Amino acid sequence: DTEVTQTPKHLVMGMTNKKSLKCEQHMGHRAMYWYKQKAKKPPELMFVYSYEKLSINESVPSRFSPECPNSSLLNLHLHALQPEDSALYLCASSQAMGVGEQFFGPGTRLTVL
Amino acid sequence: QKEVEQDPGPLSVPEGAIVSLNCTYSNSAFQYFMWYRQYSRKGPELLMYTYSSGNKEDGRFTAQVDKSSKYISLFIRDSQPSDSATYLCAMLLDKVIFGPGTSLSVIP
Repeated sequence: DTEVTQTPKHLVMGMTNKKSLKCEQHMGHRAMYWYKQKAKKPPELMFVYSYEKLSINESVPSRFSPECPNSSLLNLHLHALQPEDSALYLCASSQAMGVGEQFFGPGTRLTVL
Repeated sequence: QKEVEQDPGPLSVPEGAIVSLNCTYSNSAFQYFMWYRQYSRKGPELLMYTYSSGNKEDGRFTAQVDKSSKYISLFIRDSQPSDSATYLCAMLLDKVIFGPGTSLSVIP
């Protein structure tokens, strides 16, 4: 099973709302990733968790707050977003950071009004 | 110079054609290479994962890596309309570096 699941599939939020995106994998992978993808562009790395610790933060604004409660789960907490943050948010996982194939979830399509 | 270059297309071919998708890269430290297929508004789907120079085949797909030329290719045989998607090459170090993607349309 190479499945990464993400919820919700779609999310519409106002600029003052607080919401969370969730990601789950049961492949025993110890690296998990958040990406942001705008239309007709490749995925852009936001955060990397390795063994449940934040390893890479690609200078992402603090209105995005990642959390890794355990080795199977990854959350992205959203607060005070801007309309330009509207995008497809992708979660991915791999055996370890820089090791093995990286598998992606279906994504959450976020619209900020 | 960008780390990974890829012709964005769009590429349009008739059904049954052989498709060749290509990427070049500049960093010789890249050791692992992946090809993803992404349908509109969906997550990328891993098609091929290769390490060494040479060819790797999986069904209608063949991935080719030439490390000396810093060049990778994906060939699709007997292309189908369902192959219409964006194809992303990707290189792995501590993190994945994506090419910009090539948009492919296979016309019935």
